[in-house]
Amino acid sequence: NAGVMQNPRHLVRRRGQEARLRCSPMKGHSHVYWYRQLPEEGLKFMVYLQKENIIDESGMPKERFSAEFPKEGPSILRIQQVVRGDSAAYFCASSPRDRNEKLFFGSGTQLSVL
Amino acid sequence: GENVEQHPSTLSVQEGDSAVIKCTYSDSASNYFPWYKQELGKRPQLIIDIRSNVGEKKDQRIAVTLNKTAKHFSLHITETQPEDSAVYFCAASHNNDMRFGAGTRLTVKP
Repeated sequence: NAGVMQNPRHLVRRRGQEARLRCSPMKGHSHVYWYRQLPEEGLKFMVYLQKENIIDESGMPKERFSAEFPKEGPSILRIQQVVRGDSAAYFCASSPRDRNEKLFFGSGTQLSVL
Repeated sequence: GENVEQHPSTLSVQEGDSAVIKCTYSDSASNYFPWYKQELGKRPQLIIDIRSNVGEKKDQRIAVTLNKTAKHFSLHITETQPEDSAVYFCAASHNNDMRFGAGTRLTVKP
């Protein structure tokens, strides 16, 4: 079991471009969470998804940000028309289905917007 | 939704001393309370967790206590070592919806 895999580890975009962050949960996990972390700050909840469903997106900006977790393939966090303020580390975590269990985190994607 | 507050934001202790980090939560339905440690540039990793049917749990030098009535829980690290230096996050979860505190930066001075 390779754990939660995120790619890319580092992503550089110019203002106005699109950023796509990918997350493959641990095998057997059907719950995925995305968190954003600024330097010296905490983990800010963005969105919680189960397979093909968004359960809670209350932490995600309404504009430019979207997330999906399709039946097949990784979860994708998509940021359109990036701005400098989007620069942050984005962590994905997964947990087993139907249980209140600990989260396993990926290594994160460091997004830098020039 | 759940709101988790964590104190202090920074904590500096001498090697060998104890460290205590406290968290409060708002949703009385939350029933799972993990603690994560994040070293610089690394992913958060679980160090200990507690469920709402338990008041205290201990794992070697680390212990967590939970007061459901007051809706607060604490992390206790005894005999601190320099390698304990990191950022620690508490979290509260209900139905797999997990929210984190803002973190405590612990520095253990040799």
